[in-house]
Amino acid sequence: KNQVEQSPQSLIILEGKNCTLQCNYTVSPFSNLRWYKQDTGRGPVSLTIMTFSENTKSNGRYTATLDADTKQSSLHITASQLSDSASYICVVRPYNYGQNFVFGPGTRLSVLP
Amino acid sequence: GAVVSQHPSRVICKSGTSVKIECRSLDFQATTMFWYRQFPKKSLMLMATSNEGSKATYEQGVEKDKFLINHASLTLSTLTVTSAHPEDSSFYICSASILAGPSPLEEQFFGPGTRLTVL
Repeated sequence: KNQVEQSPQSLIILEGKNCTLQCNYTVSPFSNLRWYKQDTGRGPVSLTIMTFSENTKSNGRYTATLDADTKQSSLHITASQLSDSASYICVVRPYNYGQNFVFGPGTRLSVLP
Repeated sequence: GAVVSQHPSRVICKSGTSVKIECRSLDFQATTMFWYRQFPKKSLMLMATSNEGSKATYEQGVEKDKFLINHASLTLSTLTVTSAHPEDSSFYICSASILAGPSPLEEQFFGPGTRLTVL
């Protein structure tokens, strides 16, 4: 069964600190892996998209890594800001486009002043 | 970037009434549109997938007669919650996808969501 797991479930850090969120998946074969940021009461917004052949992708202070061999991805946030407080969702697209995206449960990040 | 809008952003209705939620891709034509439901502090749950001009494909456990989806054009999909009950109260999010880039890579853009409260 295609599944995506994320850890930690929630995380609290101080403003200016770095953090790393983890994503493990069992989707195989897969086409691409995405990280989304979802503010409370809003729809998700795409941060990065990586195909199975990519190892890393950056978007400003967000850097995603992908290890297709171990089926793991991480999202690293540097110099966190209060506005980074949100849920971060890992989503995997199966290679078979007849299958839908597989969503992780998300990691809820709180950045405190 | 591509923009997806939803209307209304929040709605409160009485039990037994029907509620229609619109999802529009504002500056692109969507290959496919998706409807999700999200409970507090939970991730998105796919309800159905729809392509313009064809019947929606519903996920297991989602009642198609309860959640009516109409995909009238490449830029508009509607979700109608019929005979709403308090347990239908939730955050409903749509997304629209388009093939983009040299790969091509399927991009999925989400709407801002609609919060439905059924009294």
